[in-house]
Amino acid sequence: GEDVEQSLFLSVREGDSSVINCTYTDSSSTYLYWYKQEPGAGLQLLTYIFSNMDMKQDQRLTVLLNKKDKHLSLRIADTQTGDSAIYFCAESKRQTGANNLFFGTGTRLTVIP
Amino acid sequence: EAGVTQSPTHLIKTRGQQATLRCSPISGHTSVYWYQQALGLGLQFLLWYDEGEERNRGNFPPRFSGRQFPNYSSELNVNALELEDSALYLCASRFRGSEIDTQYFGPGTRLTVL
Repeated sequence: GEDVEQSLFLSVREGDSSVINCTYTDSSSTYLYWYKQEPGAGLQLLTYIFSNMDMKQDQRLTVLLNKKDKHLSLRIADTQTGDSAIYFCAESKRQTGANNLFFGTGTRLTVIP
Repeated sequence: EAGVTQSPTHLIKTRGQQATLRCSPISGHTSVYWYQQALGLGLQFLLWYDEGEERNRGNFPPRFSGRQFPNYSSELNVNALELEDSALYLCASRFRGSEIDTQYFGPGTRLTVL
């Protein structure tokens, strides 16, 4: 399957941590990505994780991957108002030869000052 | 290094007309992808071009087509426009030899069909 699911909305207070969750159904996924989309803009690659990894940390961002449950999460520490955006998780499946990305529905993060 | 560029930024057409959207990939990237982001429908894969050939297409009708030029830039053509074609069209490029399959996106073209 190609379904990638995310919750639609998340609100957090400035300075708190945000956790955005994603589930996917295809265990053949090779890489999983997090993209950020600010209003009126394209997608900015935030981070990615290879499917044989459990965790990846990059400054304020921590990605956790539970391959058994097909669950991916993005934690943003010390969330700032500039983090308000839509966050998409995406998977790529090189084995299919397609190499295109399958995106979740996106989670709209609102940071309350 | 310049990122992926798209033109025009906005495009307004009427039903039945044709639209042409353009994309220039990052220098050195040979693969170009097109995605449609319609309101409430998320991002849907449209087309993938690599080395001038169409390699894969998503679940869209044939009136969505395109091409890739020798300089790896790409055009997306949408014929016989329908109201539901109104969306943000995003182009992404990828370096084919990249191990991590990362795609880098342009700012998009917002197509409005009246």
